[in-house]
Amino acid sequence: AAGVIQSPRHLIKEKRETATLKCYPIPRHDTVYWYQQGPGQDPQFLISFYEKMQSDKGSIPDRFSAQQFSDYHSELNMSSLELGDSALYFCASSWGGAGKRNIQYFGAGTRLSVL
Amino acid sequence: AQKITQTQPGMFVQEKEAVTLDCTYDTSDPSYGLFWYKQPSSGEMIFLIYQGSYDQQNATEGRYSLNFQKARKSANLVISASQLGDSAMYFCAMREGLGNFNKFYFGSGTKLNVKP
Repeated sequence: AAGVIQSPRHLIKEKRETATLKCYPIPRHDTVYWYQQGPGQDPQFLISFYEKMQSDKGSIPDRFSAQQFSDYHSELNMSSLELGDSALYFCASSWGGAGKRNIQYFGAGTRLSVL
Repeated sequence: AQKITQTQPGMFVQEKEAVTLDCTYDTSDPSYGLFWYKQPSSGEMIFLIYQGSYDQQNATEGRYSLNFQKARKSANLVISASQLGDSAMYFCAMREGLGNFNKFYFGSGTKLNVKP
């Protein structure tokens, strides 16, 4: 079965540079979520999109932005990168509706290293 | 207050034995979902099991079962017949509400080591 696809898997950037992370949800899933997981920490929710509109916002810095496109893929744009942005970034997708369990399935993550 | 609490930072279990990973949650919403995920050292987050707040029976998925005690607000994961491949970080998570767009709250995780 198709899973959530994230690209790139690894990314190395320097301070103050920009980065774009991409996420392709499981086909027919209508909601995408972004999470940030620092070393030794639990995933922290950043932002989510339902049917291409922002549905919820968590601890996403103002330097970050995200969107979901017409084909349901999503991109997380990160500008003015800081050393503290080094983390594993997960995208997850789910499919909702009445009576559904709305399980979030995660991609393999993008490991971002800011030097 | 913490939404999800996992009090065991690390645990050891002998291969082929059963192990229980603890999880307690805090919510005033009558509708919620509880999830367990496994994160091996390779980093991916793998869905294991789901329990809905209105589910009458404890969830089971193969060797995984969820011991759901609603009054105590606990959702412990039981892994039977542990295997070496079960060594990983395990996260308990909760979604408040039934909406598809409701975000997850994660616990701090339990690192499980299975000894041969």
